[in-house]
Amino acid sequence: QKEVEQNSGPLSVPEGAIASLNCTYSDRGSQSFFWYRQYSGKSPELIMFIYSNGDKEDGRFTAQLNKASQYVSLLIRDSQPSDSATYLCAVRGGAQKLVFGQGTRLTINP
Amino acid sequence: ETGVTQSPTHLIKTRGQQVTLRCSSQSGHNTVSWYQQALGQGPQFIFQYYREEENGRGNFPPRFSGLQFPNYSSELNVNALELDDSALYLCASSMRGGLTDTQYFGPGTRLTVL
Repeated sequence: QKEVEQNSGPLSVPEGAIASLNCTYSDRGSQSFFWYRQYSGKSPELIMFIYSNGDKEDGRFTAQLNKASQYVSLLIRDSQPSDSATYLCAVRGGAQKLVFGQGTRLTINP
Repeated sequence: ETGVTQSPTHLIKTRGQQVTLRCSSQSGHNTVSWYQQALGQGPQFIFQYYREEENGRGNFPPRFSGLQFPNYSSELNVNALELDDSALYLCASSMRGGLTDTQYFGPGTRLTVL
C-alpha cells in the first residue's frame, strides 16, 4: 500500500463547476497535510495546508481533513481554465519529510 | 515566486559522471529539503538539512549526498550517475518548528543522464 494515494486522473471538469480532489494516507501519526499545484514543466506551488479536522477555506479553495478516515480533499469552486494542472497531496508525520501522492491531473474545460 | 533559487536550470550528463546541484533558501528559512521527481510521479524525499547537518534521509543510496552552508544554502551531489537519475530535482526551504513547517519549492533542476 502506498503511503499517500491519489487518483491519477485525468479529472475533467467544466468551467465554473466544482472540482473535487481526493487523497488518502496510511500513517495515522501524520500531523500536517498540504496541497500543491504543479503546472507542466514547473515546480510545485503551495495552495494551502491543513492540520485540524474539518474544513479550511481560502478563496475558491477548501481543504477538508478527516483523520479518522485518513482522508484529505481539496475542493475548487468556480473552476477556471487556469486551474488546469496536476494537484499534489503531501503528508508530514513526525519526521520532517513530506510524502507525496503521485498527483491528480485536472483539466478545466471552457 | 517563493524566493528559493536553484542552479543550474538544466543539465545533461553521461552515465558514470558526477553532478552538483545548488539551492539558495528563502530569506529567514533555516532548513532545506531535496526531492527527486520522475516524470509523471510525485516528488520523492532525498534528504533534509538543518543547521548544516543531515536531518532525515529517504530511500536513496549513499552516492546521493549533500551539504548545507552557514547561510543555509545547500548542495546536492550525485556520484556515478545512472540513467534512472534523470529527473527534476527540487529544493524546498522552510523554517523549522511549528506544526506546519511549510516547505516552499524552488524552480527545480532538470537533469538528463545519457
